[in-house]
Amino acid sequence: GQNIDQPTEMTATEGAIVQINCTYQTSGFNGLFWYQQHAGEAPTFLSYNVLDGLEEKGRFSSFLSRSKGYSYLLLKELQMKDSASYLCAVIDSNYQLIWGAGTKLIIKP
Amino acid sequence: GAVVSQHPSRVICKSGTSVKIECRSLDFQATTMFWYRQFPKQSLMLMATSNEGSKATYEQGVEKDKFLINHASLTLSTLTVTSAHPEDSSFYICSARGYQGDTEAFFGQGTRLTVV
Repeated sequence: GQNIDQPTEMTATEGAIVQINCTYQTSGFNGLFWYQQHAGEAPTFLSYNVLDGLEEKGRFSSFLSRSKGYSYLLLKELQMKDSASYLCAVIDSNYQLIWGAGTKLIIKP
Repeated sequence: GAVVSQHPSRVICKSGTSVKIECRSLDFQATTMFWYRQFPKQSLMLMATSNEGSKATYEQGVEKDKFLINHASLTLSTLTVTSAHPEDSSFYICSARGYQGDTEAFFGQGTRLTVV
């Protein structure tokens, strides 16, 4: 079966750095997304990786290793507004999005 | 990015009635629309995939007669929850994709359905 694993919840301090990991086993791979979702709202796009390596976009970076079926989202200089759920999603060989359960990130002052 | 508009954002209905949710792609042609539901503190669960002009493909466990999906044009898909019950109360989200090779699907704002 297809499976995406990410931690259920993480806590970090304002101004610090946090890394949210995602491992996947899917039938084929056509890219990996990270989305941010605040409670009661639709997900918003953060990043897309299809090749190995690190993609940096401001305070957020995303890394992919296809051979290891592994990705992480790195958030720097954490702000209180970064408190949200972070969803990892993989596009499989049929171009379907397979979703992880999300990681709830709690930022403390 | 492309814009997907979902309406209404919130709806409260009585048990036994039907509710229609619209999803529109405003600046691109959506050949494929996805409908998700999300219970509190859970991830998105794909309900069905619809391609313009053809019948929707429902995920296992989703009742096609209860959740009617219409994708009659390249810019509009609708989800109708028929004979709604309190257990249908959930957050429903649509997303739209241009072509199969497109990697990103764009989300609507979501609809919070409460059945009383």
